[in-house]
Amino acid sequence: EAGVAQSPRYKIIEKRQSVAFWCNPISGHATLYWYQQILGQGPKLLIQFQNNGVVDDSQLPKDRFSAERLKGVDSTLKIQPAKLEDSAVYLCASSLTLDSRMAFFGQGTRLTVV
Amino acid sequence: LAKTTQPISMDSYEGQEVNITCSHNNIATNDYITWYQQFPSQGPRFIIQGYKTKVTNEVASLFIPADRKSSTLSLPRVSLSDTAVYYCLVYAGNNRKLIWGLGTSLAVNP
Repeated sequence: EAGVAQSPRYKIIEKRQSVAFWCNPISGHATLYWYQQILGQGPKLLIQFQNNGVVDDSQLPKDRFSAERLKGVDSTLKIQPAKLEDSAVYLCASSLTLDSRMAFFGQGTRLTVV
Repeated sequence: LAKTTQPISMDSYEGQEVNITCSHNNIATNDYITWYQQFPSQGPRFIIQGYKTKVTNEVASLFIPADRKSSTLSLPRVSLSDTAVYYCLVYAGNNRKLIWGLGTSLAVNP
């Protein structure tokens, strides 16, 4: 079974530039999550989708972050403009349903803002 | 939302059994206890989940006392490849937001 795919694996940008991350969840998984993980900390949920609808985006900095899952499958997370403090690993995860207590994570995208 | 407390770090040696205890005093009736493992440069990986008593799979065992206010993840005969961060979470599903703590950084030494 294919896992959660993310790209790119690494990205280095200058502050104030924009960047986008892509995620392809496990086939059939209705729920998709984007997490931000700063070095030395646990993952922090940014946004959660159920199919193509947003379930929870309470911790998403909406002035600079946006995310979409237009067809209920792939998803993109965008940062515009980036700040130094956005340097982190961005993890995508998926689960079968909203009630699932088990999520499957991708390898993440390591973003460095200089 | 239930919060968890676990040691920041632990050290062990190859071949030993490692027990990581997690405290979750405010666990709710519907909450399950879930453990994830995270290697450097990878996303977290589900290890084991339980509600009460004991759960065992090919990777680990999970011990949960009757009051469910704590739980212990047991890794038998660890190897160097078990060096990772282990996260304890309590979660009921039903669209409740998971809160991830700092986890326990386990270092297995030769």
